[in-house]
This record gives sequence, C-alpha cells and structure tokens, in this order.
Amino acid sequence: NAGVTQTPKFRVLKTGQSMTLLCAQDMNHEYMYWYRQDPGMGLRLIHYSVGEGTTAKGEVPDGYNVSRLKKQNFLLGLESAAPSQTSVYFCASSRLGRGQFFGPGTRLTVL
Amino acid sequence: RKEVEQDPGPFNVPEGATVAFNCTYSNSASQSFFWYRQDCRKEPKLLMSVYSSGNEDGRFTAQLNRASQYISLLIRDSKLSDSATYLCVVNLRSNDYKLSFGAGTTVTVRA
Repeated sequence: NAGVTQTPKFRVLKTGQSMTLLCAQDMNHEYMYWYRQDPGMGLRLIHYSVGEGTTAKGEVPDGYNVSRLKKQNFLLGLESAAPSQTSVYFCASSRLGRGQFFGPGTRLTVL
Repeated sequence: RKEVEQDPGPFNVPEGATVAFNCTYSNSASQSFFWYRQDCRKEPKLLMSVYSSGNEDGRFTAQLNRASQYISLLIRDSKLSDSATYLCVVNLRSNDYKLSFGAGTTVTVRA
C-alpha cells in the first residue's frame, strides 16, 4: 500500500515549456486534489476531482489543467510554464468528510 | 480576512515542556477541523481531527471553541521529534471536500 505517489519529485523548466505532473493513489479514494505551497502561505487548491471523469477549479486554477481518466490517477498539466509557477506541488486524496492524505510533493522551478 | 489564521511562531521550547497554540477561522458555518503536521520540505500529514468535545491522542490535545471560532493544539512533554510546522485545517461544510489551510505554526523543541 503506497498511499499517494507523485512523479517527478523535482523538475526545472524554462519559461514557456510544458509538463505534466502525475499523481496516483491506491486507497480507492473518490476525491483527489492538487495544491501548491509557497513560502509563508498556506496550501492553495489548484484543481480537484470528485470522481473519475470529473474535475473542477479550485482557488488558483489559472495556467493549469487537469484530467482524471482513471479513478486512481490525477494529472496536472502546465501548458506554458511561467516563473510564477515555481512552487512545491502536492497531490492529495480523501474520502468525503475525512482528512486528506498527501503525496511527497513535486518541486518545480521555472527559469 | 483569511479563512484560517495562525500565529506563525516560532515557538521555541525545551524538551519536556508544554506548548500550546491557537488557530482562528472566519466562517462560523465551518464543520470539520483538523491539525496536520508538516516537516521541513515534506508533505503535510494528518495529526488528528478536532471534535466538538475536545479530544486527546497521546501527548496531543485538541480543543474547539465554536463561540470564539478557534481551535487549539496542546503538546505535553515535548520531544525533539515534535519539531515541525503545525497546520490548522478547516472544512467549511461536512459534505464539502474542500479544505482551507492555515499557513502554519512552527514549533522547535530544543534539548
């Protein structure tokens, strides 16, 4: 039981490049989330999903897209990376009304 | 006003001491409350849920004050391993899967 896993762990991009972050969970959770965490700020919700095939915008969705083709996977895409997207990205999953379980994070730097 | 506010600290305490800190939330309709622990450059981990009547988990005690809209965390007999950032997390509605995170309170336990 691996819980929530994320790939890659680290990535450096140049402005304008694109990339996809992968999140996988093996707990059969319905809900999955993508957050970003910046110094001195709380976690901010980018996008979330309440089930396979569904996605919704969170607090800071601009510049990101997501897909949930399979229940266990939640992908976060950056179509044209900007320096403002330098951050640590966390994926999480949960059951309704319960606490969320987080992956180890992806540290992204955009030059 | 932020949805969840925490004193960033740091709280520097000697081993064996008791440390306590609060978190305030803005929405009186909030239903679920959690404390998470985050170690440096790691993912947040669920420490405990906070129940209306207050609850304990070993050396950790959480309290909820709905009238004043704050929750608290008390750590007794502090260990070096308790050094971390503690995140206050609030769920607006019991059937809502979105959480609001505080920026965290840093605790450092010294030998």
